[in-house]
Amino acid sequence: DQQVKQNSPSLSVQEGRISILNCDYTNSMFDYFLWYKKYPAEGPTFLISISSIKDKNEDGRFTVFLNKSAKHLSLHIVPSQPGDSAVYFCAASARGKRDDKIIFGKGTRLHILP
Amino acid sequence: DVKVTQSSRYLVKRTGEKVFLECVQDMDHENMFWYRQDPGLGLRLIYFSYDVKMKEKGDIPEGYSVSREKKERFSLILESASTNQTSMYLCASRLLRETGTDTQYFGPGTRLTVL
Repeated sequence: DQQVKQNSPSLSVQEGRISILNCDYTNSMFDYFLWYKKYPAEGPTFLISISSIKDKNEDGRFTVFLNKSAKHLSLHIVPSQPGDSAVYFCAASARGKRDDKIIFGKGTRLHILP
Repeated sequence: DVKVTQSSRYLVKRTGEKVFLECVQDMDHENMFWYRQDPGLGLRLIYFSYDVKMKEKGDIPEGYSVSREKKERFSLILESASTNQTSMYLCASRLLRETGTDTQYFGPGTRLTVL
């Protein structure tokens, strides 16, 4: 049973436009959410995160929105650039528990078109 | 900057061989993790450890074991490699916090091919 779901395996967006990647979760105990970016043959790198006490967090071109009632979060990239082409993983955790783990979605491959 | 290193970037082994994948982190993190990444399946957790000599099974532990003798080092062991263990293996470490940033840092990955 997937606790973190990314329902779009891939997404293509024109360079300069907005990319919106979506993520849904089922566990109401999750209180911290992260997005990771992964290029081929490299490890994932942390992109942006949001705590459940917020509904929006912004960092440059990247904004994450959290809708707790819908158990949904999204990552917005504006404007999209060629270097944004990568696989994006949504992840969630319930912080503070010693043996807790971060749960990852299956990823969305983003293609930025020239 | 947190650094997570993995012993090999690319590895080719034969079926039945014993394989050791080593991971070292330099930030005194409590938690360490081993994942494998396969197309269409995302990141699947094999094992994790929240302290020295402690280990917990993840979602797909079969065919794997782990060792954590020192805080900075977490080893993944394939007792008898099989072709279905051909994959990208990713190690990660995490500083456990109750507040503030809770981020997992990944190593560069080891691409293992089992022939």
